[in-house]
Amino acid sequence: KQEVTQIPAALSVPEGENLVLNCSFTDSAIYNLQWFRQDPGKGLTSLLLIQSSQREQTSGRLNASLDKSSGRSTLYIAASQPGDSATYLCAVSEAGKSTFGDGTTLTVKP
Amino acid sequence: GAVVSQHPSWVICKSGTSVKIECRSLDFQATTMFWYRQFPKQSLMLMATSNEGSKATYEQGVEKDKFLINHASLTLSTLTVTSAHPEDSSFYICSAINPAGLVLGGRRETQYFGPGTRLLVL
Repeated sequence: KQEVTQIPAALSVPEGENLVLNCSFTDSAIYNLQWFRQDPGKGLTSLLLIQSSQREQTSGRLNASLDKSSGRSTLYIAASQPGDSATYLCAVSEAGKSTFGDGTTLTVKP
Repeated sequence: GAVVSQHPSWVICKSGTSVKIECRSLDFQATTMFWYRQFPKQSLMLMATSNEGSKATYEQGVEKDKFLINHASLTLSTLTVTSAHPEDSSFYICSAINPAGLVLGGRRETQYFGPGTRLLVL
């Protein structure tokens, strides 16, 4: 059974810092890995999707990497802003269905 | 990108009533849809896999008689929470995949998530 772990569970940083969120998974036979953002009481916002054949994806200040063989992914956020405060979820997809991590709750202080 | 909608976005009901949640793929045909739920301060957990024209497959621990899933068309799946109780209060999110191939530049394995339905049972 696939298990997804995210570290740290919570992170508080001052505005402007670069930061890294970590995600690990136990079964490397995945189709893709996706990073989401979730604001309190809201749904999921897809940030980056990495196919199993890819190593990384970039969007603006976000960069996600994937090392399928070691079962790891990182989400790098550059020059963090207070608006980045949210919970970040990592999800791996196998045969269409996703297994989610518990998330990292990020607080960026002005 | 591909769009998946859910209706209603939120619902409050009395204990014992049944609630139906709809999940629609708006610009592609989804032969498979998935239903997830998220309890407060927890992550999303897969409840069931819904295949068009066949019975849903439920994850361990999910009561199939309580959470009725119908996937009668290629663009619509419904989740009915029967005789809802306060412990069923949760955030329900559906997702859809298009296994037929490329959709709006995406890969066929890509899931498209709905915005979610927040259920509060009093």
